[in-house]
Amino acid sequence: DGGITQSPKYLFRKEGQNVTLSCEQNLNHDAMYWYRQDPGQGLRLIYYSQIVNDFQKGDIAEGYSVSREKKESFPLTVTSAQKNPTAFYLCASRGPGATLHGYTFGSGTRLTVV
Amino acid sequence: KQEVTQIPAALSVPEGENLVLNCSFTDSAIYNLQWFRQDPGKGLTSLLLIQSSQREQTSGRLNASLDKSSGRSTLYIAASQPGDSATYLCAVKGDQTGANNLFFGTGTRLTVIP
Repeated sequence: DGGITQSPKYLFRKEGQNVTLSCEQNLNHDAMYWYRQDPGQGLRLIYYSQIVNDFQKGDIAEGYSVSREKKESFPLTVTSAQKNPTAFYLCASRGPGATLHGYTFGSGTRLTVV
Repeated sequence: KQEVTQIPAALSVPEGENLVLNCSFTDSAIYNLQWFRQDPGKGLTSLLLIQSSQREQTSGRLNASLDKSSGRSTLYIAASQPGDSATYLCAVKGDQTGANNLFFGTGTRLTVIP
């Protein structure tokens, strides 16, 4: 079945560490997105990529970095510069066509600073 | 900037009741609106996608309506079941160019009591 796979499900980060969250999709979607979800808040966009080798900052990109070397993969690195990284991270993708297709989400990664 | 509001924030109903969840948005210039379901600690599952030219979409016991001019959408759930307990999110895609134009509400947490 086609879908989006995020790993790991749970991730623990020590102070000063960089950690990378994986997002892989086999839907042949061009666009991919990273969102952060905090309790009581709506999803906030971190980074997005509309095609391979191109990505753009979202609303809260500071302290995060991404790459898009393959269509299927869009990993997110949470750097030590992100001061409050504890959150639930969701990856999404969207098929071709600006309006006709909705978004497909992965199952999320919960990151906790220890 | 588009603002999406979902009221109520939480709702409890006895099993078997029909219920309506509300979503309002401030800018009527939208491409589409998508309703999602999120179980605790999980990703988002797409329920229904309504294009801006449509008035409603149906899937099983779910019916979503869209009144673009008044900035409102409703999600109607018929004959609610305990398995419907989850948080329901609506997301509005604006018609501005660029990919950073998907706006989420903060969700309604639904509890269906057996």
